[in-house]
Amino acid sequence: EAQVTQNPRYLITVTGKKLTVTCSQNMNHEYMSWYRQDPGLGLRQIYYSMNVEVTDKGDVPEGYKVSRKEKRNFPLILESPSPNQTSLYFCASSLSSVVETQYFGPGTRLLVL
Amino acid sequence: AQRVTQPEKLLSVFKGAPVELKCNYSYSGSPELFWYVQYSRQRLQLLLRHISRESIKGFTADLNKGETSFHLKKPFAQEEDSAMYYCALSGSLSNFGNEKLTFGTGTRLTIIP
Repeated sequence: EAQVTQNPRYLITVTGKKLTVTCSQNMNHEYMSWYRQDPGLGLRQIYYSMNVEVTDKGDVPEGYKVSRKEKRNFPLILESPSPNQTSLYFCASSLSSVVETQYFGPGTRLLVL
Repeated sequence: AQRVTQPEKLLSVFKGAPVELKCNYSYSGSPELFWYVQYSRQRLQLLLRHISRESIKGFTADLNKGETSFHLKKPFAQEEDSAMYYCALSGSLSNFGNEKLTFGTGTRLTIIP
């Protein structure tokens, strides 16, 4: 089944403890991106990637890192999480660019204590 | 900078009545606009996009460059239309290299039986 998967789905951690949220797609998509969703703020793009080794900042990149070493994977890294990064995170992918249909993952709910 | 404004957080409409969800944008070039929808317990998914000039599930949206709007409309609401709706903007068609996708804060639509 063509899909975008994220792991873990739920995560509770403490301030400063490095964590990685994985994102994988099996559709051979070139474009991948990460969003956070917060009440009253909607979805805000964190980072996006046009292809392997090509990444760029979205609207809220501070405190996050990404890498794109393989086409199918686009992990989101929080090197030193803080409570203001408590949020619902979504990964998405599309065939080649942002104007193509974005396919979203199920979301990862993160709580930073 | 690119910005999307959805002025209504909540909208309730009776079944069979017309629906209009408002979306205004700010972008200096030619934008590409989208509507995404999230039904209860489902993933966020594309509803329609300006570039395709399509009508999905009875919904249409017209880009009005003079008013910088992309309102979503449906002549007769159905109960299954209850969902969270997000307007989104990309500037990639007029600004090579800009592959950001900017979302509005969303409107929760409830259809009253």
